Amino acid sequence: AQKVTQAQTEISVVEKEDVTLDCVYETRDTTYYLFWYKQPPSGELVFLIRRNSFDEQNEISGRYSWNFQKSTSSFNFTITASQVVDSAVYFCALRSIIQGAQKLVFGQGTRLTINP
Amino acid sequence: NAGVTQTPKFRILKIGQSMTLQCTQDMNHNYMYWYRQDPGMGLKLIYYSVGAGITDKGEVPNGYNVSRSTTEDFPLRLELAAPSQTSVYFCASSKLRGAGNTDTQYFGPGTRLTVL
Repeated sequence: AQKVTQAQTEISVVEKEDVTLDCVYETRDTTYYLFWYKQPPSGELVFLIRRNSFDEQNEISGRYSWNFQKSTSSFNFTITASQVVDSAVYFCALRSIIQGAQKLVFGQGTRLTINP
Repeated sequence: NAGVTQTPKFRILKIGQSMTLQCTQDMNHNYMYWYRQDPGMGLKLIYYSVGAGITDKGEVPNGYNVSRSTTEDFPLRLELAAPSQTSVYFCASSKLRGAGNTDTQYFGPGTRLTVL
């Protein structure tokens, strides 16, 4: 079964702090993709990153970085020097191949609040 | 390039009424998806389509119907609205990259539906 767990329901930090959002996944697929999406208060879903199971290299994009570790089935997301605009719900997702189709399985999301 | 558009943005229905949520994408994507997001939860797949004329059930299809007569459009139909269908509905699309692999899913802005 495909499953994504985001154990942190809510996180609140003060601006400029670093914060890490955890994501643990379960899959029997040998090839799979992991994603992070951001959902700001306006409600839309914004794609942040995609990572395939063969690439364990960490990714950095500005203040965002991602740590993918197959050994622990984790794909954690770190925001460095957080800003108020980072306040949003963040979803981790796993793309499984079920019956030949491509489906995203989402975690329940982590609500991140950055306080000024 | 508008991406994925959804109409309406908001709707209130009475129990037993029917309505169609519209979704259009202008990226020539093969795959299209409908998700629902209940409060405080991640997204769950309702239906998906791998191309015009081909649709299949997702995780939570009961109470919904879809059709895909064109590549661009993927409407979601609620025949007898129930309070349990109060949710935010997201449409998404992705491109087929070949060898059964698809690209990242891009989401529309969502439709907030309330059934009273």
